[in-house]
Amino acid sequence: AQKVTQAQTEISVVEKEDVTLDCVYETRDTTYYLFWYKQPPSGELVFLIRRNSFDEQNEISGRYSWNFQKSTSSFNFTITASQVVDSAVYFCALGTGNQFYFGTGTSLTVIP
Amino acid sequence: EAQVTQNPRYLITVTGKKLTVTCSQNMNHEYMSWYRQDPGLGLRQIYYSMNVEATDKGDVPEGYKVSRKEKRNFPLILESPSPNQTSLYFCASSLNVVDEQYFGPGTRLTVT
Repeated sequence: AQKVTQAQTEISVVEKEDVTLDCVYETRDTTYYLFWYKQPPSGELVFLIRRNSFDEQNEISGRYSWNFQKSTSSFNFTITASQVVDSAVYFCALGTGNQFYFGTGTSLTVIP
Repeated sequence: EAQVTQNPRYLITVTGKKLTVTCSQNMNHEYMSWYRQDPGLGLRQIYYSMNVEATDKGDVPEGYKVSRKEKRNFPLILESPSPNQTSLYFCASSLNVVDEQYFGPGTRLTVT
């Protein structure tokens, strides 16, 4: 069975703090894709990153970084020096076998 | 402008009254999908389509139908809506199944 777990339901941080959002996935497939999406208060879903199962290289994009570890089936997302505009719900998703499986999301609030 | 459009954005209806939510994309994407978003459950895939005339069930297909007669359109049909289908619905498209998905703005459906 395929599953994505985001154990952190809600996180609050003070502006400029670093914050890590956890994502653990389950699949027996050897080829799969992992994604992060952002849903700001306005409601739209915005793509952040995609990783395939054969590429464990970590990635940094500005204040955002992602740590993919197959050994622990995790794909964690870190925001450095958080800003109020980072306040949103963040979803981790697993794509495999033509389907997508989303986690339940982590609601991040950045307090000014 | 590349986009996924959904209509209507808001709909209140009564149990049993058939309805259709339209979805259209202008990016010539092969893969299209419908999701529902419920509090505490994240996004769950209802149906997906790999291409024209190729549709398949996602995780929560009961009570829904779809069709893909043209590449750009992927309507979601509720033949006999029930209150448990009250939800926020998103249509999405991507070039193919492994690529980032572009989401529509969402349709908030209330069934009384």
